[in-house]
Amino acid sequence: EVQLMESGGGLVQPGGSLRLSCAASGFTFSSYWMSWVRQAPGKGLEWVASIKEDGGEKYYVDSVKGRLTISRDNAENSLFLQVSILRAEDTAVYYCARLRVGPGAFDIWGRGTMVTVSS
Amino acid sequence: DIQMTQSPSTLSASVGDRVTITCRASQSISIWLAWYQQKPGKAPNLLIYKASSLENGVPSRFSGSGSGTEFTLTISSLQPDDFATYYCQQYNSYSRTFGQGTRVEIK
Repeated sequence: EVQLMESGGGLVQPGGSLRLSCAASGFTFSSYWMSWVRQAPGKGLEWVASIKEDGGEKYYVDSVKGRLTISRDNAENSLFLQVSILRAEDTAVYYCARLRVGPGAFDIWGRGTMVTVSS
Repeated sequence: DIQMTQSPSTLSASVGDRVTITCRASQSISIWLAWYQQKPGKAPNLLIYKASSLENGVPSRFSGSGSGTEFTLTISSLQPDDFATYYCQQYNSYSRTFGQGTRVEIK
């Protein structure tokens, strides 16, 4: 079964940092672009970052540039998001998503991991 | 960045109704548009890709159309399982963007 499972969320103080992980299974992870998408409580979806199959290209939404870093380990079938200098507005469910070959639409999603930034 | 605008923000409808949601892009995105359904507490689910291609396993009452800057998602006969929030999303550029969402409510 094709599956993505996020972990690493939690409660963190403003200015703090976290590393989110996404474990992939059921498909050839190294053949797909991957992304992180977040959703603040009661709000819509916001694309955050994408990374190419080999990690050689990375793209970020302007609002997080310099504070979030996407990376991957194809040997471990894992995707990561390092989030630093966290702000209250970073509070959200963070989803890991696979991009269809192309790269195309987000065709597989994880269940998400909640990040809460609060003192 | 490409901005995506959906209308309406909320839609009240009854079971059996034909429902149409519109999505407009701030510049041409050709056919590089997807539609997702999201239910409370769940991850989004891909319904339509390349503007009009139905994802495997999605009921045929869902359809998509459009190109360039104007797109629509149509549900031909609304079913109880379809009450949810729907998002459009462009993938013409590496910087993906979503519409703000359309919540479909029971009338």
